Amino acid sequence: AQKVTQAQTEISVVEKEDVTLDCVYETRDTTYYLFWYKQPPSGELVFLIRRNSFDEQNEISGRYSWNFQKSTSSFNFTITASQVVDSAVYFCALSEATGGGNKLTFGTGTQLKVEL
Amino acid sequence: GAVVSQHPSRVICKSGTSVKIECRSLDFQATTMFWYRQFPKQSLMLMATSNEGSKATYEQGVEKDKFLINHASLTLSTLTVTSAHPEDSSFYICSASRGPRYEQYFGPGTRLTVT
Repeated sequence: AQKVTQAQTEISVVEKEDVTLDCVYETRDTTYYLFWYKQPPSGELVFLIRRNSFDEQNEISGRYSWNFQKSTSSFNFTITASQVVDSAVYFCALSEATGGGNKLTFGTGTQLKVEL
Repeated sequence: GAVVSQHPSRVICKSGTSVKIECRSLDFQATTMFWYRQFPKQSLMLMATSNEGSKATYEQGVEKDKFLINHASLTLSTLTVTSAHPEDSSFYICSASRGPRYEQYFGPGTRLTVT
């Protein structure tokens, strides 16, 4: 069975600080997808990234970057120079390519609070 | 990205009544739709997976007679909460996908309050 662990339930930072959100996953599949979503107070899920298990290259998109390490089963997310608008709950999720189709398993989420 | 809508965005109903939530994919054909439930400050829990034209597959612990799911067309799935009770109050989110190998696109969610 697949599992996603986000050990940090809540993180508070001051604006312009860098912050890393941790995500550790478990799966028996060799082919799988990892995701990050942002959920602002409005509740709507905002897709941030999808990464397949064969692509371990780190990704950068503006102030966001992702570090995928298969050796430690981790897919961490870093926000550089955080802003108040980054305040939200962030979910890491896993989808196995075989058997489960594209069924998503979500982590418990990390509440990020960015203060002035 | 693809657009998925949900209606209504908020609904308040009395205990014992039924409420229907619609999920529509606006610009693509969704072979598969998913329904999730999210309690306050908790994660999203998958309730069921529905494929167009066939019966929904429910996750363990989800009562299929209470949460009726219909996916009658490639652009519409409905979730009906029957005989709702206060413990059914939650945030319900749908997602839509072109198929098993494709990404899910999420709707904005429906906040259900049962009084």
